[in-house]
Order: sequence, then structure tokens, then C-alpha cells
Amino acid sequence: GAVVSQHPSRVICKSGTSVKIECRSLDFQATTMFWYRQFPKQSLMLMATSNEGSKATYEQGVEKDKFLINHASLTLSTLTVTSAHPEDSSFYICSARDRGHGLDNEQFFGPGTRLTVL
Amino acid sequence: GQNIDQPTEMTATEGAIVQINCTYQTSGFNGLFWYQQHAGEAPTFLSYNVLDGLEEKGRFSSFLSRSKGYSYLLLKELQMKDSASYLCAVSSLTGGGNKLTFGTGTQLKVEL
Repeated sequence: GAVVSQHPSRVICKSGTSVKIECRSLDFQATTMFWYRQFPKQSLMLMATSNEGSKATYEQGVEKDKFLINHASLTLSTLTVTSAHPEDSSFYICSARDRGHGLDNEQFFGPGTRLTVL
Repeated sequence: GQNIDQPTEMTATEGAIVQINCTYQTSGFNGLFWYQQHAGEAPTFLSYNVLDGLEEKGRFSSFLSRSKGYSYLLLKELQMKDSASYLCAVSSLTGGGNKLTFGTGTQLKVEL
């Protein structure tokens, strides 16, 4: 149980275009989903916390107008990188918290999306 | 704010034991996780500590001292497949709920 999927796993896009990444909890309802970014040889940095049906909470330094997050249902959150630039190239990982099982603070991670902006 | 320190790299021999340390400074401490991450993949859960002491789980054990802001992950009977990055992540309870803050990770290389 507690499986999280992400789509796509890899995406290459041209500078200036927008890219949408989906994060789904497959076998549980996720009241809260998290979006992280990981640059090479660095750790995961939390970008935003997404609660179903409400606006996402962004971490300091993360532009909310550039990284649009929508958490429309208990099983789906999307991250849209708008007007992507090469410096946005990174590994984006989502995670979800299972409202019914596990530890209150445990997060289940998706497999990640490798974004390359040319 | 949160501050989490881990060694950047470690090397160990197959069959040996290795200890990866993590020190942290945080407010609202609510538990500490250890994750394993292979390159290009998502982190996978290894262990969790919220109370002081040792948690053992097969070849992996994790220790926590809240008063010292210190944890370690112990890997026994090392195998080549254990070569990976090991992430220490501190859970803290803030106004916005539980949040995980990750250390930079320790890249472990297991050699023959």
C-alpha cells in the first residue's frame, strides 16, 4: 500500500514553455501532498505544501506564480512550471501523507520527474 | 530555522559495518527519518525515531538522542547494493503542520 506515482518520469522542453507534472496517490487518500526539488548531488528542498481544496503554502524563495500547484482531489496534485528556463532543470519529487495509515508525519514519495529545459 | 548536518561521503568494505551520523538543530521536533536514495530515484524509507534510543530493523538500526540533537544510522553486513545516498530528515511541527527537512545526504560507497 501507500504507492505514489508521478507522470511524466522525464520531460525535455524548450525554454519559455510550461510543463505540468502530475502526482497521484494510487491506493490511499492524501490530504496533504508535498513538492520537492533536488539539484544534482544536493538534498531535497521543499518547495510547497499542498492541501486538498485549498491554496498551496510555498516555502520562502519559491515563486508561486512560476510554480503553480493544484490539489483538486484527494488523489491528485499537479505542479506546473511556467515559462521554464534552463535553471529550472532539476529532479522534482512529490510525496503524500496518508490520512488513514502510518505515522502522522510519514510521507510516501513518488518516483520523481527529471525536467530538462533546453 | 532548521539545520541538519551529515558527512558528504563515506566509503566502507563489503561485509563491514558503517555508521552515518546526523546532527540537527530544529524547533518543534517531531521525529527523525532515515531514507535511502539511489541516483535518479525517489527516497525509500529506512527507519524512524521519535523517542531516544535504538530502533533495529534487520541490517539497519537507527539511534536518536533528542537532548544532543543527534542520530545515527548503522548498516551491518554491508552489501554492494547498499551503495547509495542516505538522507537524514527531521520532522517538525509548524503552524502549517508537519514538515520534513532533509540533510544534504551521505553518499556511501561500498567496495569489495
